[in-house]
Amino acid sequence: EAQVTQNPRYLITVTGKKLTVTCSQNMNHEYMSWYRQDPGLGLRQIYYSMNVEVTDKGDVPEGYKVSRKEKRNFPLILESPSPNQTSLYFCASSYRGLDNSPLHFGNGTRLTVT
Amino acid sequence: AQSVTQLGSHVSVSEGALVLLRCNYSSSVPPYLFWYVQYPNQGLQLLLKYTTGATLVKGINGFEAEFKKSETSFHLTKPSAHMSDAAEYFCAVSVTGGGNKLTFGTGTQLKVEL
Repeated sequence: EAQVTQNPRYLITVTGKKLTVTCSQNMNHEYMSWYRQDPGLGLRQIYYSMNVEVTDKGDVPEGYKVSRKEKRNFPLILESPSPNQTSLYFCASSYRGLDNSPLHFGNGTRLTVT
Repeated sequence: AQSVTQLGSHVSVSEGALVLLRCNYSSSVPPYLFWYVQYPNQGLQLLLKYTTGATLVKGINGFEAEFKKSETSFHLTKPSAHMSDAAEYFCAVSVTGGGNKLTFGTGTQLKVEL
C-alpha cells in the first residue's frame, strides 16, 4: 500500500530535550515536506526537500532541522524543543515536487512540549 | 506570492442539504488549486485539483469545484450532504515557478446535522 508513515503518533516531551520525528514514504517520491498545523492558522510549511541531499526552508523553519540522506526518509529534528513548538505535525510527499502534483500526507504526529 | 482565503471557519448543514465551502485565491500567475479533506485523527487527503483545462472539476465522494478566474474563486460544493462528510476542508494553491510552495487556507470545519 502506498503510504507516508510518521512516527511516533503522539509525543510528550520537556523543554530542551532533543527529539526526532521520522517520516518514510514508499512511493519513490522525490519531493518531501514537513508542515505544522495549528488552530486558526491552517498548515504552514517548515522545510521541504526536492531530492536527496537537497533541502530548503519553508515559512516557519526556526527551531527545526531536517535531513534527506535517502530518498524515502525525511526526519524532522527538534534540537531544543520549546512550548511554542507544541503542534500537530504532518509529513507529506509528492512526485517531482509541487506545482500540479498533489501531496500525500502521513497521519500526523501530535507533539506536546512542557 | 500566492495566498488563499477560506470564508467561514465553521459551516453547518443538514443531512441532504447543499454543501458550499468558499475559497478565494490570490496569485499573479495562473494557479493550481486543490481541495483537501481531513478526517479526525488522520492526515489530509486530496479531494480534487484544478490544473488547466475544464474549469469544473469533479472529485471523490461526490464533491466538485469550479475555477472562476474572474472571481478568483474555487468554491467546493456537494449537492447532498452526508453524515460522513463531517470533516475539516482545506483549500490550497500553488503556481508554476512558485518554488514548489503549496499555500493552504486556514480550513473550514464542516458539521452535518440530522
